[in-house]
Amino acid sequence: GNSVTQMEGPVTLSEEAFLTINCTYTATGYPSLFWYVQYPGEGLQLLLKATKADDKGSNKGFEATYRKETTSFHLEKGSVQVSDSAVYFCALMIYNFNKFYFGSGTKLNVKP
Amino acid sequence: DAGVTQSPTHLIKTRGQQVTLRCSPKSGHDTVSWYQQALGQGPQFIFQYYEEEERQRGNFPDRFSGHQFPNYSSELNVNALLLGDSALYLCASSSVMNEQYFGPGTRLTVT
Repeated sequence: GNSVTQMEGPVTLSEEAFLTINCTYTATGYPSLFWYVQYPGEGLQLLLKATKADDKGSNKGFEATYRKETTSFHLEKGSVQVSDSAVYFCALMIYNFNKFYFGSGTKLNVKP
Repeated sequence: DAGVTQSPTHLIKTRGQQVTLRCSPKSGHDTVSWYQQALGQGPQFIFQYYEEEERQRGNFPDRFSGHQFPNYSSELNVNALLLGDSALYLCASSSVMNEQYFGPGTRLTVT
């Protein structure tokens, strides 16, 4: 089946620290991969995406590379800010089904 | 462009009652999907509507039903509410070959 596994949180970092949030997936087809961010009390915002192997998605200093050989899509940022504190969700979508499978989310707390 | 809008923002219901949640898609989008996000969990797919018909369905009981109107807006109905139905309900809209946009959600509390 289709599923996403991401590292459990919370992850607590100091401002300007390096961030990695691990995400691995299983898929019956050839998925597109996404990272969404959810701030407290809000819905989901697309952070970045990648649609084929070796693609790198990037946005606002965050990056993730679609690794087909390891079925992974780890999220990284070189220097986090307090404003990055949120819950991050890894997700996959099988092309043409237009339906997301989400991981359980990783809460990030960044301290000043 | 207002993006995806949902109403109401918050809702409190009693066990056994019925509830209707509403979603207006982003301009130009014709497909609406509904997700349930329990506290501390990732969103789970409920169903998807296209051309006023249910096109896909996740593992949710028949108590969960929906509708799409000719203007592409959609409703999610839940009958015989259970405590476990308490969650954030997210609507997402899209069109063919385009990414999904999520609304802010409706927070449902069942007491």
